[in-house]
Amino acid sequence: DAGVIQSPRHEVTEMGQEVTLRCKPISGHNSLFWYRQTMMRGLELLIYFNNNVPIDDSGMPEDRFSAKMPNASFSTLKIQPSEPRDSAVYFCASSPQGLGGSPLHFGNGTRLTVT
Amino acid sequence: SQQGEEDPQALSIQEGENATMNCSYKTSINNLQWYRQNSGRGLVHLILIRSNEREKHSGRLRVTLDTSKKSSSLLITASRAADTASYFCATDTKAGNMLTFGGGTRLMVKP
Repeated sequence: DAGVIQSPRHEVTEMGQEVTLRCKPISGHNSLFWYRQTMMRGLELLIYFNNNVPIDDSGMPEDRFSAKMPNASFSTLKIQPSEPRDSAVYFCASSPQGLGGSPLHFGNGTRLTVT
Repeated sequence: SQQGEEDPQALSIQEGENATMNCSYKTSINNLQWYRQNSGRGLVHLILIRSNEREKHSGRLRVTLDTSKKSSSLLITASRAADTASYFCATDTKAGNMLTFGGGTRLMVKP
């Protein structure tokens, strides 16, 4: 079990640039979650997918954020254009049963810095 | 505001002592989970307790749940330096279909 794999681990970009974060969930897990962690706001759920379908994207802060899950083994979170306030650690997590009482398995995150 | 709030925000103890962290929440839940996060890493699931359970054990961990008070506690017995981390509670609410995390407790265990 390789765990949830996120890339890149660190991303530094300039304001206005497009940023794409990538996630490979654990094989066989049918739910995938994107979280953002900051000191000020803690862990925030941005969006989650069940069987590759977005179920709840109410946490996506703005239209600048978009997420896709083209297949069961890959998801992306895109920010276009990026702003300094988007600086945070972005986590991807997967679960075998969605939110029906299953633990989440987290990746090690992508630390995004927007200058 | 967050569904779960941990208390205290920070805790410093000596190795061998017990560490107790508390979590309060606002709305009815299906289950409550505790996670650990080491610096620079993702969260790791520790234990899940369902709303109809009152206590659960896993190794040196003991979790209690009091739904009448909307609170939970995580006890780590005989702490070790390796237990140094942030600990988060997360609630799976009946109203929404989300797992909401609290702000966490930063635990430091001094050798």
